[in-house]
Amino acid sequence: AQSVTQPDIHITVSEGASLELRCNYSYGATPYLFWYVQSPGQGLQLLLKYFSGDTLVQGIKGFEAEFKRSQSSFNLRKPSVHWSDAAEYFCAVGGENRDDKIIFGKGTRLHILP
Amino acid sequence: DAGITQSPRYKITETGRQVTLMCHQTWSHSYMFWYRQDLGHGLRLIYYSAAADITDKGEVPDGYVVSRSKTENFPLTLESATRSQTSVYFCASSGSGLGYEQYFGPGTRLTVT
Repeated sequence: AQSVTQPDIHITVSEGASLELRCNYSYGATPYLFWYVQSPGQGLQLLLKYFSGDTLVQGIKGFEAEFKRSQSSFNLRKPSVHWSDAAEYFCAVGGENRDDKIIFGKGTRLHILP
Repeated sequence: DAGITQSPRYKITETGRQVTLMCHQTWSHSYMFWYRQDLGHGLRLIYYSAAADITDKGEVPDGYVVSRSKTENFPLTLESATRSQTSVYFCASSGSGLGYEQYFGPGTRLTVT
């Protein structure tokens, strides 16, 4: 069974600073990896996904993530955060095995300092 | 393009009452899911469905019932609500499979008094 860990429960960055949110996964086969964002009172929105190919994936809202198989990681990055990026971010892992469901991390809450 | 909708958005009910949360998607996705989100527990899968008339239990199915007579609808029923079922409930759908990206509704905040 797969698992996903987001080591940071809270992250605080200043507006305009760069951002990296960490995600580590465990999966026995080829993982499918996802990042979602949840603003207060809303559902989860898909930011980006990785299935195969180029290990640097571009998403919406200026986010990108890099798949590193050797480190079992899929960290989310943004070069310059905006106040509107304050939200909770979830990493998730699925996979190619027919019966494997997506597993979500516990989330990282991002706070932005003005 | 309505996508995936949930109703009601907010619900207060009393212990012991039956309550049904509705989920409707317009994409004709085969797969649909119900999650609950609680502080400290993250997202937990309650039930999922691979197609009309095919449903299966997730991580926390006790106290919940689902049905899927039409592809686009996936209602979740709490047969006899308990305070521990106070939560935010999210419906999601996927057109590709269990391990693929899911698209979420806006959620229903349920309070059981």
